[in-house]
Amino acid sequence: SAVISQKPSRDICQRGTSLTIQCQVDSQVTMMFWYRQQPGQSLTLIATANQGSEATYESGFVIDKFPISRPNLTFSTLTVSNMSPEDSSIYLCSVLTSGQETQYFGPGTRLLVL
Amino acid sequence: KNQVEQSPQSLIILEGKNCTLQCNYTVSPFSNLRWYKQDTGRGPVSLTIMTFSENTKSNGRYTATLDADTKQSSLHITASQLSDSASYICVVTRNQAGTALIFGKGTTLSVSS
Repeated sequence: SAVISQKPSRDICQRGTSLTIQCQVDSQVTMMFWYRQQPGQSLTLIATANQGSEATYESGFVIDKFPISRPNLTFSTLTVSNMSPEDSSIYLCSVLTSGQETQYFGPGTRLLVL
Repeated sequence: KNQVEQSPQSLIILEGKNCTLQCNYTVSPFSNLRWYKQDTGRGPVSLTIMTFSENTKSNGRYTATLDADTKQSSLHITASQLSDSASYICVVTRNQAGTALIFGKGTTLSVSS
């Protein structure tokens, strides 16, 4: 299985600011995803990070609010822009490797917006 | 509507006891069903995966069952340990590529000594 790390692991931010979350995988993967887990809720897919092209966003999520980069097969970033308290969540990246059906999740980034 | 419902929402048991968590789903199409364990402050970790034709799968003290006819699954934990305290999430995959996942809200299990 892939080993996934995320930075930062947690942060407390002021409203109106932006935070960039990094996701690093120890091996090349075919697909990378970003999820949000709001308090007491299930995971919700934000977008699929595409290598070398624009991310594919799910309904309700837009690029201006959650810009995503994936410059290579092992790294991706998610930016939470112009934050408000409603953005307080755990943000997780996950990966799919070639030939595997199971998504592996990173440890998550716990974000609190004041 | 594609949904995954889990019960109970939370559960407290004594160390050494057994427990069973439930998952009902209304997801179509169906590719597989997974149970994940999510420790506080960590990402979910896969425990078991079952396809349509499988009705039971074990991983140590964890045993998952699947009834594809009634669209129900259960996760049985035997001889619980303090380290089993976590959220257990039932996830149904809609496609073979593994990209379309429907998540339950999870059952929070607390094991006390």
